[in-house]
Amino acid sequence: QQQVKQSPQSLIVQKGGISIINCAYENTAFDYFPWYQQFPGKGPALLIAIRPDVSEKKEGRFTISFNKSAKQFSLHIMDSQPGDSATYFCAVPNTGTASKLTFGTGTRLQVTL
Amino acid sequence: NAGVTQTPKFQVLKTGQSMTLQCAQDMNHEYMSWYRQDPGMGLRLIHYSVGAGITDQGEVPNGYNVSRSTTEDFPLRLLSAAPSQTSVYFCASSLGGQRMSEQFFGPGTRLTVL
Repeated sequence: QQQVKQSPQSLIVQKGGISIINCAYENTAFDYFPWYQQFPGKGPALLIAIRPDVSEKKEGRFTISFNKSAKQFSLHIMDSQPGDSATYFCAVPNTGTASKLTFGTGTRLQVTL
Repeated sequence: NAGVTQTPKFQVLKTGQSMTLQCAQDMNHEYMSWYRQDPGMGLRLIHYSVGAGITDQGEVPNGYNVSRSTTEDFPLRLLSAAPSQTSVYFCASSLGGQRMSEQFFGPGTRLTVL
């Protein structure tokens, strides 16, 4: 069973600033490591995902940094905008044959003007 | 493409009642899953399926049953509802295999058990 620790629980960033959310896991896995974004009253939506053999992936203002040896990965949101205000979840694939995702507890991001 | 659809959007049950939450996807995805979301606890996996006819338990399976007779549909059955099952339920699907982690979620069903 995968254990996942996500931090911080909540984050307030000024418009134009950088938002950083961290995720740590226990067991090495070989599937993609994703981040999801969820707005109130909606289902989570895949934001960006990284292969475990890659150290960084960038899509627009969103970047995942992956540190395999430390078993950590983080989401960076550059030039944060009020429209980025949402809850963000990291997720970690299971090891072994079971095909499952374990989610972090979420980070509520608020981007102020 | 409708993506992942869930019905109903809202439901109120009395303790002991049973019901089925419906989930369907039109993306020909092999992998489907059910999660429940409670405040401060993230998303917890209830059951999942890697293909038609194959289901397995997740982290919190007690009190729930699933079946997967077709690729498109993955209903979740509550056998005898309890107040502890008050939650928001999400269905998700993905291509599976190495792309299992890239899941598409439905809009959710908000369930209240009195």
